[in-house]
Amino acid sequence: GAVVSQHPSRVICKSGTSVKIECRSLDFQATTMFWYRQFPKKSLMLMATSNEGSKATYEQGVEKDKFLINHASLTLSTLTVTSAHPEDSSFYICSAREGNSYEQYFGPGTRLTVT
Amino acid sequence: AQSVTQPDIHITVSEGASLELRCNYSYGATPYLFWYVQSPGQGLQLLLKYFSGDTLVQGIKGFEAEFKRSQSSFNLRKPSVHWSDAAEYFCAVAAPGGGNKLTFGTGTQLKVEL
Repeated sequence: GAVVSQHPSRVICKSGTSVKIECRSLDFQATTMFWYRQFPKKSLMLMATSNEGSKATYEQGVEKDKFLINHASLTLSTLTVTSAHPEDSSFYICSAREGNSYEQYFGPGTRLTVT
Repeated sequence: AQSVTQPDIHITVSEGASLELRCNYSYGATPYLFWYVQSPGQGLQLLLKYFSGDTLVQGIKGFEAEFKRSQSSFNLRKPSVHWSDAAEYFCAVAAPGGGNKLTFGTGTQLKVEL
């Protein structure tokens, strides 16, 4: 149980376009979902926290107008990278938690390459 | 704010040898502590966690970790490493009552020699 999926696993887009990444909890209801960014050989950096039905809370330094997060249901959150630039190329990972548990379940990640 | 240090970027061990991955944290009190493993193409998997109580924690895949308050450490150990343990290992902390935000260390890449 406790499986989180992400789609797509890899995406290549042109500079200036937008790309949407989906994160789904497959067998539980995720009251909270988290979005992370992972640079090569680097740690995971929390970008934002989203609670179902409410606006996401962004970490300091993360542009909320560039990284749009929607958590419209208890099983789906989306991250849209708007007007992508090469510097947005990265590995994006989502996680989800059920209720008030401190345990997060992680998706396999999405490799975004902006050309 | 809490922080996590994993001093070893890379570690190489022979299969069958013992393993210890170091993790030190900085936080004003005792945080919640986690170890995750990341394999290519797979999501981070929780190996074990410490919230309170017995400072020696048993996890999955034969891993254990010991919380040492005096050293602000939460080192991960395994008595006999298998080739399949080769992966990236992350230590993470969360502040109790802090909304479940995880702060990750920079990770340790484990290579296992056959």
